[in-house]
Amino acid sequence: DADVTQTPRNRITKTGKRIMLECSQTKGHDRMYWYRQDPGLGLRLIYYSFDVKDINKGEISDGYSVSRQAQAKFSLSLESAIPNQTALYFCATSDSDREQYFGPGTRLTVT
Amino acid sequence: GESVGLHLPTLSVQEGDNSIINCAYSNSASDYFIWYKQESGKGPQFIIDIRSNMDKRQGQRVTVLLNKTVKHLSLQIAATQPGDSAVYFCAVKRRDNYGQNFVFGPGTRLSVLP
Repeated sequence: DADVTQTPRNRITKTGKRIMLECSQTKGHDRMYWYRQDPGLGLRLIYYSFDVKDINKGEISDGYSVSRQAQAKFSLSLESAIPNQTALYFCATSDSDREQYFGPGTRLTVT
Repeated sequence: GESVGLHLPTLSVQEGDNSIINCAYSNSASDYFIWYKQESGKGPQFIIDIRSNMDKRQGQRVTVLLNKTVKHLSLQIAATQPGDSAVYFCAVKRRDNYGQNFVFGPGTRLSVLP
C-alpha cells in the first residue's frame, strides 16, 4: 500500500464550487505539505503543517484553506474554485527538514 | 525571494549514454539540495541529496555535483536506461519566510532514445 495517498485522483468542478482534496499518510511523519504544480513551473507551496496544532501559509495560500484533522490527515479546501486553480496538487510528508515523500497527486480542473 | 532555474526544459539521450541535468539557484546561503524524479502520473520521488559542505555525492548510477561558487547543481546519470525517462527537478532549502521548506526548480524532461 502507498505511504501517502490522495483522494480524489482526478476532479472536474465548476467555478464557484467548494472542493476538498484529502491526504492521508501511514509514514508516521509529523510534517505535511500541500503543493500545486503548473506546467513550466516548479512545485509551489500552498500550506504546511509541522504538527497537528501547527498550520502555516506557504507562498500561494490565497484562495485555499487547510485542516489537519490528525497526524495522518491533512486536507486542502478551495472555498470557491476559480479556473486559475486548475493544476496538479501534491501532498507531501517528512520527518525532518530533509527529503519529502509525495503522494500521487490530484489533477483538478475548474471550468 | 529565492529562485531556482534550469538550463534546459528537455533533454534527449541515447540509451546507454550518460545524462547531465543542471540546476541554478540564487541564494548563496543555501546549504541543502535534493534531486527528485517524477514519472508520468506519479508524485516526485527522492533520488539523492547533498549538503553544502560537499562538492560531490554518488549514489547508484547517479552523481550530484555542487558548485557553490557559481551556485550551480547538476545530476549525472550513468548508462541511462529507458526507465530513467521522467522529469527531474532540483529542490533547494529555503532561506526566506517559509520555515525550513524548499523552493523547487521547474524540471527537465529526460527522454531516453532506443
